[in-house]
Amino acid sequence: GENVEQHPSTLSVQEGDSAVIKCTYSDSASNYFPWYKQELGKRPQLIIDIRSNVGEKKDQRIAVTLNKTAKHFSLHITETQPEDSAVYFCAARANDYKLSFGAGTTVTVRA
Amino acid sequence: DGGITQSPKYLFRKEGQNVTLSCEQNLNHDAMYWYRQDPGQGLRLIYYSQIVNDFQKGDIAEGYSVSREKKESFPLTVTSAQKNPTAFYLCASSIDLGRINEQFFGPGTRLTVL
Repeated sequence: GENVEQHPSTLSVQEGDSAVIKCTYSDSASNYFPWYKQELGKRPQLIIDIRSNVGEKKDQRIAVTLNKTAKHFSLHITETQPEDSAVYFCAARANDYKLSFGAGTTVTVRA
Repeated sequence: DGGITQSPKYLFRKEGQNVTLSCEQNLNHDAMYWYRQDPGQGLRLIYYSQIVNDFQKGDIAEGYSVSREKKESFPLTVTSAQKNPTAFYLCASSIDLGRINEQFFGPGTRLTVL
């Protein structure tokens, strides 16, 4: 099955700086890559996603890039704010329609 | 927050007891899922259901059982066979299995086995 690895496990950034989280996947048939944000004690929420026919997607301060050849994708958060502090999960979906998740990155934005 | 609910929010059980976690959705979604979340790990799929009266094992189904008698309900039973049941359990739903990108999560149930 699909195996998703996520790095780093923790990330501390100064408010206003950028944060980058990277994920790699193993199944070349994976075609959909969502990112979820989970605040402490709350449910994961989809923040952005990308499909395999697209190389980059932006939504305000967040962007996701995908390199199909290298089988990795990244989340970029610019101009970080304290409310960006949370755990972020990447995931990948192969043809079996199941999502495989990375282990998560705890992002802390220092004021 | 609405649409998909889980109860209770916190659950304590003694070792060796079966326990059932509730998941209800009013989104008219066909597909429903159960995930387990442990510290430092991503969500792992326990079971999923594509439609009423049908369900499939996920990656870590051992020690768990489910039923899908109604479209809106997908209860998960953690049996005594589950060796390490203490975890945060998340239920989710989507319109159908193919549109898993539109997956909504419930608020979760934190199960602690004493």
